[in-house]
Amino acid sequence: GAVVSQHPSWVICKSGTSVKIECRSLDFQATTMFWYRQFPKQSLMLMATSNEGSKATYEQGVEKDKFLINHASLTLSTLTVTSAHPEDSSFYICSASQLAGGTGELFFGEGSRLTVL
Amino acid sequence: KNQVEQSPQSLIILEGKNCTLQCNYTVSPFSNLRWYKQDTGRGPVSLTIMTFSENTKSNGRYTATLDADTKQSSLHITASQLSDSASYICVVRGNMLTFGGGTRLMVKP
Repeated sequence: GAVVSQHPSWVICKSGTSVKIECRSLDFQATTMFWYRQFPKQSLMLMATSNEGSKATYEQGVEKDKFLINHASLTLSTLTVTSAHPEDSSFYICSASQLAGGTGELFFGEGSRLTVL
Repeated sequence: KNQVEQSPQSLIILEGKNCTLQCNYTVSPFSNLRWYKQDTGRGPVSLTIMTFSENTKSNGRYTATLDADTKQSSLHITASQLSDSASYICVVRGNMLTFGGGTRLMVKP
């Protein structure tokens, strides 16, 4: 099956710094990518949807200036957590779809665990 | 409002037993319904994807059913194994994706 790779798989940073997480589709072109956040023992929470070459669409309550999403190519999307604070510590997961809007099969990355000290 | 509700929230069963997880949705219009398995600290992995016309779909020991009239789906796990311990997430696609809260399954020896 298709592979989606996230990097880094875990990161620890100091409060106030920015962290970039990459999401790559390794063997297919991802027209649409999704970013999620997951707190312990909770389900995935969709943060934003990004289509290649377009601005991301953010879910209600998600600060677009804090969570910067770039989807500059069909195989790469990045999530940058700017001025991270301890409450941003979470498990961040991306998923990718070949079809626009994620109507096709969704392939998930392995997740990136962010810990902000 | 589009909603996906899963039950039970958590479940403990003995190895070798069967179990059924439920997913009720109010998403409209309906495009497809997906079941994912998520191991702790990992990304979700697709188990099945079902469209409006499909009633049953199997993937090994996993069998998903869909009743589009009552807007219900179930995931049946046969002869459970320790490795089935995970969260199972139901995702319904309408105009957008709506995620269920998941069912946390623990299989004990």
